[in-house]
Amino acid sequence: EAQVTQNPRYLITVTGKKLTVTCSQNMNHEYMSWYRQDPGLGLRQIYYSMNVEVTDKGDVPEGYKVSRKEKRNFPLILESPSPNQTSLYFCASSLSRLPGRGAFFGQGTRLTVV
Amino acid sequence: GESVGLHLPTLSVQEGDNSIINCAYSNSASDYFIWYKQESGKGPQFIIDIRSNMDKRQGQRVTVLLNKTVKHLSLQIAATQPGDSAVYFCAENDRNRDDKIIFGKGTRLHILP
Repeated sequence: EAQVTQNPRYLITVTGKKLTVTCSQNMNHEYMSWYRQDPGLGLRQIYYSMNVEVTDKGDVPEGYKVSRKEKRNFPLILESPSPNQTSLYFCASSLSRLPGRGAFFGQGTRLTVV
Repeated sequence: GESVGLHLPTLSVQEGDNSIINCAYSNSASDYFIWYKQESGKGPQFIIDIRSNMDKRQGQRVTVLLNKTVKHLSLQIAATQPGDSAVYFCAENDRNRDDKIIFGKGTRLHILP
């Protein structure tokens, strides 16, 4: 089954404690991206990757890092989480740059930073 | 800045009736539009897309209409079912920025029994 898998689904952490949210896809997609979803703001892109070892900033990259060492994995790293990073995070993969037809989103990771 | 928006935050529709969800955009350079469905506790799911060289596109029970003159996009769902309950949001792509998608905030569709 084609899918994007994120872990964990829920995470509560304290300010400043480094964390990583993993994302894996089994469709051999080149393009992967991370979004955060906040009430009243819609989805906003954090980072994206067009292929292995190629990553670029999205609209809200501050406070986040990513890596793309393998095609299937695209982890999101918060080196020093802060309460304003409390949000619902989605990873997505697609064949092209645009998350349109053929794009898949993960189930989401709800992060709370206290 | 330019943004995608939605007219109604919540829409209640009787089961079996047709639903129409609207979306306005302001960027005249947008040439690709997508509708997503997001069920509670799940990630967004692609429904249908349309390019600016088209006015209408149909899928299974869904139709997207694009009016470029007034920069308006709509999603029509025929014979609405309980499984259609979700948040629906549109997204646009600027032809000059082929790596950038702007998402709307969403409309919650509530199905009345």
